[in-house]
Parts: sequence; structure tokens; C-alpha cells
Amino acid sequence: DSGVTQTPKHLITATGQRVTLRCSPRSGDLSVYWYQQSLDQGLQFLIQYYNGEERAKGNILERFSAQQFPDLHSELNLSSLELGDSALYFCASSQNDRQNTEAFFGQGTRLTVV
Amino acid sequence: AQSVTQLDSHVSVSEGTPVLLRCNYSSSYSPSLFWYVQHPNKGLQLLLKYTSAATLVKGINGFEAEFKKSETSFHLTKPSAHMSDAAEYFCVVSDPQAGGTSYGKLTFGQGTILTVHP
Repeated sequence: DSGVTQTPKHLITATGQRVTLRCSPRSGDLSVYWYQQSLDQGLQFLIQYYNGEERAKGNILERFSAQQFPDLHSELNLSSLELGDSALYFCASSQNDRQNTEAFFGQGTRLTVV
Repeated sequence: AQSVTQLDSHVSVSEGTPVLLRCNYSSSYSPSLFWYVQHPNKGLQLLLKYTSAATLVKGINGFEAEFKKSETSFHLTKPSAHMSDAAEYFCVVSDPQAGGTSYGKLTFGQGTILTVHP
């Protein structure tokens, strides 16, 4: 158990809908990262927050947004969902935002858009 | 810009034989390198990390990796494979952004699926 909790584990929704994925980082970790894993794209970095502020952005679509709350949990909002958004979404956390700090991953949320 | 190339998408070995998973990286600065493992329907688990200390890094479950700057490689090895090693392995690089500031963003390779035969 990595200590990173993601909910829900599975989500099935229809095209055009909006969903929210939730992540609780390890106790004491200030950085939260979101990644998308799909068969064709592999593991892609979406966005990072550090202590409530957006720190880095990757290949995140405009339909997607995220935030980190004062208690350090984070939410990833996906809207106007398309079939191609079906993927495994991982949250990871680390102590800080340094290059050499390992990230600990949650079990992921598997999103299926039908 | 940082990137990672895992040279084999699939590796198949027999139980008890050595494992070699190959990884080359590209980085503008001194990178930190990691290996993660993903078992079916599970999250990603850190196996080991290199952060400019010793070039030979030991990890969990008997795995180790050697950082070779001249070859820009970070291959993962294990002397004797076990059935429980069957999983997908990811080589990961993290390097400072331009200007020397790093935010810990990880760039993943495409993964190598390791199959272990009895």
C-alpha cells in the first residue's frame, strides 16, 4: 500500500458527461501529480500541484482541470467526455517538488466512457 | 527536454535465469532515474532510483540498475527471475526544467512486459 488513495476505483459514464476523480496523497506529501495511462499513449503526465498551487502542466486537454485543496487532497475534473478519454488515471504524491524525490502512486481510477 | 526509450516492449525469460530490461535516456541536465513496476490491475511501485550518488543502485526484490552516463543507459537487472516478477516495468526520468528548477515531473518510457516461464 503506497499510502495514496484514489476514488473511485472504477467509473463508467456516457459521452458528454462530466466526472470528478479524487486523490488523497500520503500524509505529509505536498506535491500531487496526475497521469493518464492508455494503450496507445502510455503513461502521460497531465498536471502537478504543489502545496495548493499549480506547478507544472503536461498534455492536459482544456476539457480537463484539476485543483489541490488546503487539506492537500486533489481532484481531477474531466468534462465533455469522449470515447478516447477512456483510460486509467493515476494520482501520485511526493514530499516536495525536487527532481530526485520519488513519487508514490495510487491504484488508479479506471474510466470507461461509453 | 527529457525522454526515455525502453528498447524492448516484451522480454521473456525462464524462472531462475537472469533478467535484463534495457533503458536509454535523453536529458539536458543531470537526471534522476527510476524504475517502476506495475503488476496487472495494480498501481505503480517504485523498484529503485538513481540520484547521482552510486552508479550501481540496488532496489527491492533483488533488482538493481547501473547508471552509465557515457552510454546514457540505465538498464535493470536481476540475477534470477521469479514467477512473481512477471509484470510491466517502466523506466522513468526526471530532470530539471530549463533554468535549473525542477518540479519533479516524471517522464515514462513505453514499458517492458516481462514474462517468466516455469
